[in-house]
Amino acid sequence: ETGVTQSPTHLIKTRGQQVTLRCSSQSGHNTVSWYQQALGQGPQFIFQYYREEENGRGNFPPRFSGLQFPNYSSELNVNALELDDSALYLCASSLGSGRGSTDTQYFGPGTRLTVL
Amino acid sequence: QQQVKQSPQSLIVQKGGISIINCAYENTAFDYFPWYQQFPGKGPALLIAIRPDVSEKKEGRFTISFNKSAKQFSLHIMDSQPGDSATYFCAASPEGGKLIFGQGTELSVKP
Repeated sequence: ETGVTQSPTHLIKTRGQQVTLRCSSQSGHNTVSWYQQALGQGPQFIFQYYREEENGRGNFPPRFSGLQFPNYSSELNVNALELDDSALYLCASSLGSGRGSTDTQYFGPGTRLTVL
Repeated sequence: QQQVKQSPQSLIVQKGGISIINCAYENTAFDYFPWYQQFPGKGPALLIAIRPDVSEKKEGRFTISFNKSAKQFSLHIMDSQPGDSATYFCAASPEGGKLIFGQGTELSVKP
């Protein structure tokens, strides 16, 4: 076990709704990255937070937003849900320096989001 | 330039055999190459990782071979066991924190 937890485990929403997913980092880690994993695909990078600031973003629209809190836990918010947003959402925590070094990322179990 | 190509898509190996999964990349700025193992319904778990200053890294039954000039790296699983049956992902990082994953290889080890 990595010590990274995510909630909820599963979630069903309808198109147009909004959703908030939560992640608790491994103890001592200051960096959280979020990924979207569609069925049968590799995870795709959404964004990363380092010490409460966004520190890089992938090719996702602005309706995907995030927050990192002082205790380094994090939220992923998705507005105006679309059917294609159905996926496993993974967060990964790491001990980063925020200066471009690559640090080992430890993944949580994910939240399975289904959009109907 | 930001892609990581992984092959094969699926692999069947007999117990005790060697499983080999290959990945190729284009961006020479990539500086970190991890392999992750994922079981159904679980998040990816780090298996082993390598940086471009070494050509091989071994941890137990898992070995990464890295060819910087060819921009390729591979995972070898020696003495494959049924418990190794999972999906394996290679990844590469072009800059701090962002991992670019391959498409995955579904490994099945037959008893």
